Amino acid sequence: KQEVTQIPAALSVPEGENLVLNCSFTDSAIYNLQWFRQDPGKGLTSLLLIQSSQREQTSGRLNASLDKSSGRSTLYIAASQPGDSATYLCAVSPTGGFKTIFGAGTRLFVKA
Amino acid sequence: SQTIHQWPATLVQPVGSPLSLECTVEGTSNPNLYWYRQAAGRGLQLLFYSVGIGQISSEVPQNLSASRPQDRQFILSSKKLLLSDSGFYLCAWSVLPPGAETQYFGPGTRLLVL
Repeated sequence: KQEVTQIPAALSVPEGENLVLNCSFTDSAIYNLQWFRQDPGKGLTSLLLIQSSQREQTSGRLNASLDKSSGRSTLYIAASQPGDSATYLCAVSPTGGFKTIFGAGTRLFVKA
Repeated sequence: SQTIHQWPATLVQPVGSPLSLECTVEGTSNPNLYWYRQAAGRGLQLLFYSVGIGQISSEVPQNLSASRPQDRQFILSSKKLLLSDSGFYLCAWSVLPPGAETQYFGPGTRLLVL
């Protein structure tokens, strides 16, 4: 049974700091891994999607890496800003299936 | 462009009352549709998904049901709500299965059962 764990559960950093969010999963037989952002009381917005054959994806100040063999992914946020404050969710999807498994998220607070 | 709507945004219901949450998608045809529930401090749990009109797959046994009366309409229902049904309900859509592409989420409905 696939399980997704995110560490830390919460993180508070000063503005401008570079930070890393961690995600681990128990079953390496995944098709892709995604990172989502969720603002309080809102839906999810997809940030980055990494196919299982890829090792990383970048979008602006965000970089996500994937090590499928060890069951780990990291989301690197460079030069953090107060607007980055949100909950970040990691999710893995099986090949062709519909059951995406989500982690509980890391709640990030960037202090101005 | 595609948009996804959910209503109501917030709902407070007594235990034992019925429930109907609606989700509609615009700007795409024959999407895959999903209902998720998010409990406080926990990840999203897939409740139902649908690959077409009248086709519903349930992921977990529960007090809820889903229907898809039209191509871009997905409804989550209950005949009698339980306290444990409280949570944040999210609808999502995709063109391909989530193993091939991302899902797009609606704004969510916060349900409080008292």
